[in-house]
Amino acid sequence: QKEVEQNSGPLSVPEGAIASLNCTYSDRGSQSFFWYRQYSGKSPELIMSIYSNGDKEDGRFTAQLNKASQYVSLLIRDSQPSDSATYLCAVKNEAGKSTFGDGTTLTVKP
Amino acid sequence: DAGITQSPRHKVTETGTPVTLRCHQTENHRYMYWYRQDPGHGLRLIHYSYGVKDTDKGEVSDGYSVSRSKTEDFLLTLESATSSQTSVYFCAISEHRDSPLHFGNGTRLTVT
Repeated sequence: QKEVEQNSGPLSVPEGAIASLNCTYSDRGSQSFFWYRQYSGKSPELIMSIYSNGDKEDGRFTAQLNKASQYVSLLIRDSQPSDSATYLCAVKNEAGKSTFGDGTTLTVKP
Repeated sequence: DAGITQSPRHKVTETGTPVTLRCHQTENHRYMYWYRQDPGHGLRLIHYSYGVKDTDKGEVSDGYSVSRSKTEDFLLTLESATSSQTSVYFCAISEHRDSPLHFGNGTRLTVT
């Protein structure tokens, strides 16, 4: 079992729709949770950090964390073509080790 | 890119030769990481460092070694490169144990 698993893609949504990305993790000692976006040929860049159970909103993005279910999600509202990218879920444990999922590729169609 | 420089940006080498990739940061961050990225595998952790001379293995450490003699530099060495090590290598830094990562621009390594 992979330490961090993301819903398999690719995911395609129409412009203006909500895109939902999911991630589960296996290490209950995980402390910190992140979503990164990576455009083709570029480096990953941070979108959201979340550390405690519940929702965290930043503009069109909402991250949700449920430690009991070992589940993290990212919602993108009013999706735009510029949101088309690969989204990476990452988990850090108490030692600072950072593990990534394989990513979900999102395409937003105009 | 948060004061991170990877060198070289591109390298082609032959099977069996040693290769060293360098990651240099100007942020004075404690944590540094090396990942490789291959199609269908996302980012896989090779090694990471939590301080000068303090390193630990990741999930794909076989065939790789690292060294960190200064806060600002983290070196990744392939002792004897193999074709399976053809990949894009990313260095990342993190200020604290629970801080997010900031990535360098990557090094594209081809082993022929």
